Amino acid sequence: GESVGLHLPTLSVQEGDNSIINCAYSNSASDYFIWYKQESGKGPQFIIDIRSNMDKRQGQRVTVLLNKTVKHLSLQIAATQPGDSAVYFCAENLLGQNFVFGPGTRLSVLP
Amino acid sequence: GAVVSQHPSWVICKSGTSVKIECRSLDFQATTMFWYRQFPKQSLMLMATSNEGSKATYEQGVEKDKFLINHASLTLSTLTVTSAHPEDSSFYICSARGVAGEAQYFGPGTRLLVL
Repeated sequence: GESVGLHLPTLSVQEGDNSIINCAYSNSASDYFIWYKQESGKGPQFIIDIRSNMDKRQGQRVTVLLNKTVKHLSLQIAATQPGDSAVYFCAENLLGQNFVFGPGTRLSVLP
Repeated sequence: GAVVSQHPSWVICKSGTSVKIECRSLDFQATTMFWYRQFPKQSLMLMATSNEGSKATYEQGVEKDKFLINHASLTLSTLTVTSAHPEDSSFYICSARGVAGEAQYFGPGTRLLVL
């Protein structure tokens, strides 16, 4: 079934600091992962993806790390900016089936 | 990334009326489209999955006669909320995927308010 969040965990960081958002995924056989960013009142936006044959992938100011041993995914945002304030979801996929979404983490960037 | 649009972005309707929401993939062919509902400060709740030309697969607890989904082409899916009631007020988001195993892209969402 799909994940249904209750109360979102919140991460507060100072502007300019690095942010690390964590996600524990459920299926050890999942082979594809995506991080999404959702701003208030908008649909989720694709940020970065990674496949299970990799353990790290970098984008512009973002890095995704995958630790398959402990089923852990993280999103690192360098030099966090006010525009990064949003809810971040991880999503896992197994062999082309439907994505399963994590509950989300709210990132608040403090001035 | 790929672009998915939704229309309308906002809709206010009276109780008992039906509302249709369109979801379009603008620059790719979406073999599969998904409809989600999201309550404030909560995660996405998958309502149904539709493949082009096939009947939609609804998640448990979602009334298929209440939420009609049509995926008539590779670029368009529609969700019709029939006989809407205030409890149907929510943020509805569609998502589209080109090929199984590839990324899923989301539309901007449609906020429905039923008075």
